[in-house]
Amino acid sequence: DAKTTQPPSMDCAEGRAANLPCNHSTISGNEYVYWYRQIHSQGPQYIIHGLKNNETNEMASLIITEDRKSSTLILPHATLRDTAVYYCIVRVRGTASKLTFGTGTRLQVTL
Amino acid sequence: GAVVSQHPSWVICKSGTSVKIECRSLDFQATTMFWYRQFPKQSLMLMATSNEGSKATYEQGVEKDKFLINHASLTLSTLTVTSAHPEDSSFYICSAPSGRGRNSPLHFGNGTRLTVT
Repeated sequence: DAKTTQPPSMDCAEGRAANLPCNHSTISGNEYVYWYRQIHSQGPQYIIHGLKNNETNEMASLIITEDRKSSTLILPHATLRDTAVYYCIVRVRGTASKLTFGTGTRLQVTL
Repeated sequence: GAVVSQHPSWVICKSGTSVKIECRSLDFQATTMFWYRQFPKQSLMLMATSNEGSKATYEQGVEKDKFLINHASLTLSTLTVTSAHPEDSSFYICSAPSGRGRNSPLHFGNGTRLTVT
């Protein structure tokens, strides 16, 4: 799986948008970009994934650059409960395909 | 949404004993499940891939005789830590693809915190 690069930590004020960047410059054509988050002492929670088009769901938006070498996860109105470690992962197409976690970005949402 | 249930959520055992952790997919079938381990302040590390009806596939450096995996049915995989030692104390997490399409995301259990005394 292609490696990803994320900033180790970010801060965001509550109510503001949190924009979490991810670089995946060696991504292949059959690899999707997945985002997960892990709140302390819990299992990772799936957020969103995409191939090349921008995606939006009830939790977040995913913006993928045209060359697919980077992406941004957007939490439109961050709350304190969004404080977590966010992982950007590229994964080969297929349900039996594993996820390889990097170190992620620790997002701290503050009042 | 897809739910993966893990049991127990925490366990304390004495050194030398064995501990079994269960992972169930509650509303979908999973021919494949993944087992991860996470040490404090570190990221998740894949230990093995559990395959229903066949042997598990272990990642490099993971002892298959120590971490026994049994994928007994399409909704249950178990991880047994045999002859546990304090260095096996960790957070163990399972996951499974929800099965809704070829690119269905992996869903994770809430983990099992193992403490070996």
